[in-house]
Amino acid sequence: GQSLEQPSEVTAVEGAIVQINCTYQTSGFYGLSWYQQHDGGAPTFLSYNALDGLEETGRFSSFLSRSDSYGYLLLQELQMKDSASYFCAYSTPLVFGKGTRLSVIA
Amino acid sequence: DAEITQSPRHKITETGRQVTLACHQTWNHNNMFWYRQDLGHGLRLIHYSYGVQDTNKGEVSDGYSVSRSNTEDLPLTLESAASSQTSVYFCASSVGRSTNEQFFGPGTRLTVL
Repeated sequence: GQSLEQPSEVTAVEGAIVQINCTYQTSGFYGLSWYQQHDGGAPTFLSYNALDGLEETGRFSSFLSRSDSYGYLLLQELQMKDSASYFCAYSTPLVFGKGTRLSVIA
Repeated sequence: DAEITQSPRHKITETGRQVTLACHQTWNHNNMFWYRQDLGHGLRLIHYSYGVQDTNKGEVSDGYSVSRSNTEDLPLTLESAASSQTSVYFCASSVGRSTNEQFFGPGTRLTVL
């Protein structure tokens, strides 16, 4: 079958680093995406990994290991505004995980 | 600036009524998608389109239909609304099939009583 697994909740301290893991199972895989969604808002695109390795975009990085069917999103120098839900998704078309709610505390 | 809009933003309807949610994008994107979001389920794909006259069923398409008569619009119709269709609905678009960057509309909160 097709599925994505990610933790439901993560709490981290402002200024710290947090990693949100995602494992997937699918018969057809093109790449892994990450989206951010603040409460009451729409999802916004963060990153996409088609190949194994690390992609860095500012404070956010995303990693993919196709052989392990595993990826993660790494958020550095956490800020209060990073409190949101984070979704991994594989394609195509996009199938989303249930999301990880990140709470950043002072 | 290009954008994607949804209307209405909030709607309350009764069981059995037909409801149409509008989605309009000015990005000139070929691909458009409809998702519903419910607590504990994340975003689930309802229908999608890769171009004019093209429509495809997603994971939770039962009770929903779409049509694509132009590039800009993909209206979502609930043929006979059910309480189980109470949800937040998001429309999204992307430029091509291989890109994973989808641009989402602000969402429509639908309540079926």
